[in-house]
Amino acid sequence: GQQVMQIPQYQHVQEGEDFTTYCNSSTTLSNIQWYKQRPGGHPVFLIQLVKSGEVKKQKRLTFQFGEAKKNSSLHITATQTTDVGTYFCAGFRTGANNLFFGTGTRLTVIP
Amino acid sequence: NAGVTQTPKFQVLKTGQSMTLQCAQDMNHEYMSWYRQDPGMGLRLIHYSVGAGITDQGEVPNGYNVSRSTTEDFPLRLLSAAPSQTSVYFCASSLRDGHSTDTQYFGPGTRLTVL
Repeated sequence: GQQVMQIPQYQHVQEGEDFTTYCNSSTTLSNIQWYKQRPGGHPVFLIQLVKSGEVKKQKRLTFQFGEAKKNSSLHITATQTTDVGTYFCAGFRTGANNLFFGTGTRLTVIP
Repeated sequence: NAGVTQTPKFQVLKTGQSMTLQCAQDMNHEYMSWYRQDPGMGLRLIHYSVGAGITDQGEVPNGYNVSRSTTEDFPLRLLSAAPSQTSVYFCASSLRDGHSTDTQYFGPGTRLTVL
């Protein structure tokens, strides 16, 4: 079954509102990666978190990795229409050599 | 560098037909993989390869075969297509053999419809 779940599955926001997607794993992850897929496009790497409790920022995007390394979040401040797309988390289970992707959150930004 | 390339971009098959989805990368990456993307399911790993001559199964391997005769190419074969294989297929590669800190580079995808 699906090992990495993301919520919500869909999110519609007005431009300028904030947005958060949550990623939860049933097992401990050695790291977490985040990807963005524009409509009709392919996933593109955004960032990687490795340490427990790690927080990283990219302009309006803030990424967190949970203390137990089982969950993560992506927060976008003041969304713009360019933020539209599906955001995926992906992680390696400790000891595994394959990346497991979350179910994704599709973000729509209403101008 | 072209990165990861996939052909064809679109394909329609009839049930029972066979075909090969092509994937190539020019970054000298050791690790290559195939994912399928279905609504609400995220990206699910079909098969992967940690180097030329080595392949292994992912989460959803049934109905698909792969081979890795060169570092650059990693084709995915459907021997007898079924409607359940209607999906978008992505090939990805990374530098090392599935090392956990490596970025995955994705190809543009192949949209497959099986009637």
